[in-house]
Amino acid sequence: GAVVSQHPSWVICKSGTSVKIECRSLDFQATTMFWYRQFPKQSLMLMATSNEGSKATYEQGVEKDKFLINHASLTLSTLTVTSAHPEDSSFYICSARDRSGIESNQPQHFGDGTRLSIL
Amino acid sequence: AQSVTQLGSHVSVSEGALVLLRCNYSSSVPPYLFWYVQYPNQGLQLLLKYTTGATLVKGINGFEAEFKKSETSFHLTKPSAHMSDAAEYFCAVRDNYGQNFVFGPGTRLSVLP
Repeated sequence: GAVVSQHPSWVICKSGTSVKIECRSLDFQATTMFWYRQFPKQSLMLMATSNEGSKATYEQGVEKDKFLINHASLTLSTLTVTSAHPEDSSFYICSARDRSGIESNQPQHFGDGTRLSIL
Repeated sequence: AQSVTQLGSHVSVSEGALVLLRCNYSSSVPPYLFWYVQYPNQGLQLLLKYTTGATLVKGINGFEAEFKKSETSFHLTKPSAHMSDAAEYFCAVRDNYGQNFVFGPGTRLSVLP
């Protein structure tokens, strides 16, 4: 089945550093990728939507300068948390939409998430 | 705008008992409906989905859900709970124009021996 690979799965770093999370679609091309944030015991909150070759669309309240998203190819999107602080600690999940098929029925596949801990 | 509600943030059942997780949605257009399961420190795994056609949808691990338009519901059921079913379950809606998912708040299922 379709697989979305997210790397790293767990990262711990010091406050002030930048962290890059990769999201790859392994056996399909993704026109659109989504980045979610999940706080403990809560649901997924959409942070941004990225389309290959264009700027990401951020949800209200999400700092685009803090969370840099790049979608340079049909199989790779990256989320960079810049100058991370403890309040950025969270579980980040990416999702990729398979470009095959009609737009309304394109399957969407989720990565396994990245747990980010900022000390 | 679309929204999803899940009645009961935590549901406990005994092993072998019926599992019923509730999901209601609001959508101004015909929706696509999904149930996902999330195990600790993992991403989402698709259990089942409704797009069109038969309103009773069967998924993996013995789960099924029924789309009831008149009730705007998509409740998830399993006849007999197993210990391995303990996890967080999310209902989600997506409109048929292919826009993003809207997730419910989730229901944590505990299975008691």
